[in-house]
Amino acid sequence: AQKVTQAQTEISVVEKEDVTLDCVYETRDTTYYLFWYKQPPSGELVFLIRRNSFDEQNEISGRYSWNFQKSTSSFNFTITASQVVDSAVYFCALSAHQAGTALIFGKGTTLSVSS
Amino acid sequence: DAGVIQSPRHEVTEMGQEVTLRCKPISGHNSLFWYRQTMMRGLELLIYFNNNVPIDDSGMPEDRFSAKMPNASFSTLKIQPSEPRDSAVYFCASRLLAGAQETQYFGPGTRLLVL
Repeated sequence: AQKVTQAQTEISVVEKEDVTLDCVYETRDTTYYLFWYKQPPSGELVFLIRRNSFDEQNEISGRYSWNFQKSTSSFNFTITASQVVDSAVYFCALSAHQAGTALIFGKGTTLSVSS
Repeated sequence: DAGVIQSPRHEVTEMGQEVTLRCKPISGHNSLFWYRQTMMRGLELLIYFNNNVPIDDSGMPEDRFSAKMPNASFSTLKIQPSEPRDSAVYFCASRLLAGAQETQYFGPGTRLLVL
């Protein structure tokens, strides 16, 4: 069965600190996709990144970076120099490779960044 | 290009009443999902459609819930009769059904309160 675990329920940091959100997944599929979504206080779900299982290169987008390690079944998300606007709930999700299947979401990590 | 559109954005109703939530997917997308988000259970998949056909409705709580997708640009989720435990945020998401797993994009959600 597929499963996504975000062990950190809540994280609080002060502005400009770096913070890493952990995501561990379980799947028997050899190929699969991983995603991160952000849910700010306004409530919408915003797509951040999609990653294929056969591409283990880390990715950087501005202050955001993602570290994908198949050996540990992890897909961690780091925010560098956090800002108050980063305060949100962040969800990690997993899906099978085949088109037309659903996402399995983790429970989410609530990040609070204070000034 | 317009994103996923959901209506109403907020709904307050009394127990026993019928509630209908509406969703218009992104134009060209042919896969549509309904999710429910609560504090206790997080994000749960209720049902999803590929090419207007329901694929997996195992997440639908009970017979009080029904979903339809009469055409590629419209879907409804109906609760009849509604109960206080149905209070939640209901999200619709759409995706292009292609050769590989594409990204789901979410609507703003409908906040339902059943009194």
